[in-house]
Amino acid sequence: EPEVTQTPSHQVTQMGQEVILRCVPISNHLYFYWYRQILGQKVEFLVSFYNNEISEKSEIFDDQFSVERPDGSNFTLKIRSTKLEDSAMYFCASSLAGGPASEQYFGPGTRLTVT
Amino acid sequence: KQEVTQIPAALSVPEGENLVLNCSFTDSAIYNLQWFRQDPGKGLTSLLLIQSSQREQTSGRLNASLDKSSGRSTLYIAASQPGDSATYLCAVMTGGYNKLIFGAGTRLAVHP
Repeated sequence: EPEVTQTPSHQVTQMGQEVILRCVPISNHLYFYWYRQILGQKVEFLVSFYNNEISEKSEIFDDQFSVERPDGSNFTLKIRSTKLEDSAMYFCASSLAGGPASEQYFGPGTRLTVT
Repeated sequence: KQEVTQIPAALSVPEGENLVLNCSFTDSAIYNLQWFRQDPGKGLTSLLLIQSSQREQTSGRLNASLDKSSGRSTLYIAASQPGDSATYLCAVMTGGYNKLIFGAGTRLAVHP
């Protein structure tokens, strides 16, 4: 069964460093998302992406964050200058379509630890 | 602002019991509601999606209902098994067309 994959599974970085989290969505899906979950807290929406542009972003997704679909298969989240509070599990998701019938499928996550 | 609440926060039951997990949301203007399962340290597995025009969805031993007007959904798990032990999350699609707002989850433990 097709699945969303994410690399790396765990990333440790120092405060102020740039990190890129990578995702391969399900191959025929058109909508892509990033969410994060700080330890012990709710899963939070960061950004949705369709047709090579951001369709919606949350207040968390400030100028330090960016997303890109550099080729036909990868979807990346870049954090330019990491802060301690960026430590979280980051989930990529994809859906075939947008709208009420669109079931989102999540990857296994990347645990980001900022020291 | 949409808020999603799940009750109870944790539940421990013996194997074989039928159980109900509850989810409530403050703004009834939702497009759909999804139930997910999350195993410790793992990703989210989609269980069921109910569109706003639907009342319920079933998959195997799972049945989810939606009462949009009262802002409630329930996930019914029949004949629970130890393998059902996980955290169950509900999420509503609201506001932006593709944004999911999550509850904090119900942590379920089914013991033999």
